[in-house]
Amino acid sequence: RKEVEQDPGPFNVPEGATVAFNCTYSNSASQSFFWYRQDCRKEPKLLMSVYSSGNEDGRFTAQLNRASQYISLLIRDSKLSDSATYLCVVALPSGNTPLVFGKGTRLSVIA
Amino acid sequence: DAGVTQSPTHLIKTRGQHVTLRCSPISGHKSVSWYQQVLGQGPQFIFQYYEKEERGRGNFPDRFSARQFPNYSSELNVNALLLGDSALYLCASSIRTSGGTNEQFFGPGTRLTVL
Repeated sequence: RKEVEQDPGPFNVPEGATVAFNCTYSNSASQSFFWYRQDCRKEPKLLMSVYSSGNEDGRFTAQLNRASQYISLLIRDSKLSDSATYLCVVALPSGNTPLVFGKGTRLSVIA
Repeated sequence: DAGVTQSPTHLIKTRGQHVTLRCSPISGHKSVSWYQQVLGQGPQFIFQYYEKEERGRGNFPDRFSARQFPNYSSELNVNALLLGDSALYLCASSIRTSGGTNEQFFGPGTRLTVL
């Protein structure tokens, strides 16, 4: 079983749509959780951290369920500029494996 | 302030050769991590260095090695290149060693092609 698993995608949605990405992680000792965004042929950039209480940043909402080892990202009112690959990332408390990435889910927002 | 810088941006090598990739972290960041991202996959952790010492190593063969210099810049070396080493090599810097809530800032990467 992979350490971090994401929806395979790709997701093709019209502008204005709401899209949800799901992610599960296998190591229950994981302590920190993130969503990164990666544009084509560019480096990953932190989109948002994910907290147990859930958190929102504008059109983006992230949620964490530690019991189910499940993380989600919701994007409302999709924009063309949201087109990218979204990477689910977890981190263990120790420094041996600082960030563990999922495979990523490609999103294309279509006009 | 400059972000994480990496050089070269692109590199083409042939099987059996070796390669050295370079990274300069954000000023004030003492931790550097290296990741390999093959096409269609998420980045995979290779090494982490903090204060010039190796603090973590991923599941990569001994052909991969790295070091960190007193100015916190880092080099990743890969010997006896294989076709499968073709990937985007990403360097990330952070203030401290561990993951947790410490954000890692990625450089633009070095795209290595092995022919």
